[in-house]
Amino acid sequence: QVQLQESGPGLVKPSETLSLTCTVSGGSISSYYWSWIRQPPGKGLEWIGYIYYSGSTNYNPSLKSRVTISVDTSKNQFSLKLSSVTAADTAVYYCARIDGYGDDLRYYYYMDVWGKGTTVTVSS
Amino acid sequence: DIQMTQSPSSLSASVGDRVTITCQASQDISNYLNWYQQKPGKAPKLLIYDASNLETGVPSRFSGSGSGTDFTFTISSLQPEDIATYYCQQYDNLLLFTFGPGTKVDIK
Repeated sequence: QVQLQESGPGLVKPSETLSLTCTVSGGSISSYYWSWIRQPPGKGLEWIGYIYYSGSTNYNPSLKSRVTISVDTSKNQFSLKLSSVTAADTAVYYCARIDGYGDDLRYYYYMDVWGKGTTVTVSS
Repeated sequence: DIQMTQSPSSLSASVGDRVTITCQASQDISNYLNWYQQKPGKAPKLLIYDASNLETGVPSRFSGSGSGTDFTFTISSLQPEDIATYYCQQYDNLLLFTFGPGTKVDIK
């Protein structure tokens, strides 16, 4: 049973860089896409971006200029960096696995395994 | 960008009631649409993928339908453990994901 666990500082100062890591256990990081999603207090879910195990990435256009997602296959981990944070970046941050299936004509994707989430507060 | 709307934003129903939530995309997304359940303080959980396929282990009272721009999520008989917020999620041909704003379901 694959499990994901987010880790990182719970408090980040404004203008600094938020850094989180997601550790994958019970399975390999290979052959999947891995994603970050966040949820501000009392609000809905926002997709941040994903990385394929080989290293290719895709980001939410609204966050693209500040986001970097990387992967370390030797440690079965992937990481999120969000620069120049403000109070608006305060949220619960989730990591998730993107699985999929299909054929040459059509492929379907879904986030089937999620971490429990970690709360990050941006405050001085 | 593809925008997603959900209605209603919240609802209150009795145990055993049939509950229906709609999700609308701003453009045709075929059936690239998933549904998630999020209970308070918990991570989201996948219920339905590609509009109508039930994730393994999910009770059969949950179902989804639709294609193109209009989608429906149904709980055929609401149970107390179904109290949660439900989100639709779409992805486009660039594999950019967007969540709907969510529908909060309560027991009357």
